[in-house]
Amino acid sequence: QVVLTQSPSASASLGASVKVTCTLSSGHSRYAIAWHQQQPEKGPRFLMKVNGDGSHTKGDGIPDRFSGSSSGAERYLTISSLQSDDEAVYYCQTWDTGIRVFGGGTKLTVL
Amino acid sequence: EVQLVESGGGSVQPGGSLRLSCAASRFTFTNYNMNWVRQAPGKGLEWVAFITSSGNMIDYADSVKGRFTVSRDNAKNSLYLQMSSLRDEDTAVYYCTRDSLHSNYFEYWGQGTLVTVSS
Repeated sequence: QVVLTQSPSASASLGASVKVTCTLSSGHSRYAIAWHQQQPEKGPRFLMKVNGDGSHTKGDGIPDRFSGSSSGAERYLTISSLQSDDEAVYYCQTWDTGIRVFGGGTKLTVL
Repeated sequence: EVQLVESGGGSVQPGGSLRLSCAASRFTFTNYNMNWVRQAPGKGLEWVAFITSSGNMIDYADSVKGRFTVSRDNAKNSLYLQMSSLRDEDTAVYYCTRDSLHSNYFEYWGQGTLVTVSS
């Protein structure tokens, strides 16, 4: 069964860039994933789908500052020109027959 | 813009039942697969249940199998989650989500409804 692994926390300075990583379990390196953002006290919001070849499809209204990429079993979310309201928990999500799976989430702190 | 509005949350004793509803609007409901996802207080996201656009295929997380039932009424643009034999660990905010048209990721989320299971 596919498992997604994320680092629990990340931090970067206001105006800088940060890359958040989601790692697919062995045997599942070609899977696409989706990134979701959850700001404090809010519901999650879909950001983008990232395919195994690194191509990505963003959700409605997601700024150009957000981008996705891939390398092997790793899927990345890169946020540039960090703003204070980018401080949130970022979840990756994937799917297989009969199941949907989330990573544990990465809490991003904007310094 | 797509709207998903959950309702039906509240407090219930262990062993009790509750029915959640999700009212969908501003998209063609009959075309899309739907899900329920939950989040326990201070915890991460957990997928709960999936139903295809026609309702002919359903999947559940192992943690709720045999206790929860997902259904939909396409004439009413509504998704439901019937929860029974509720346990303390079912306490969570429950979100209704819509899949992407051609893939199985959650493209839109509702605002959530809180279910508290406590004696």
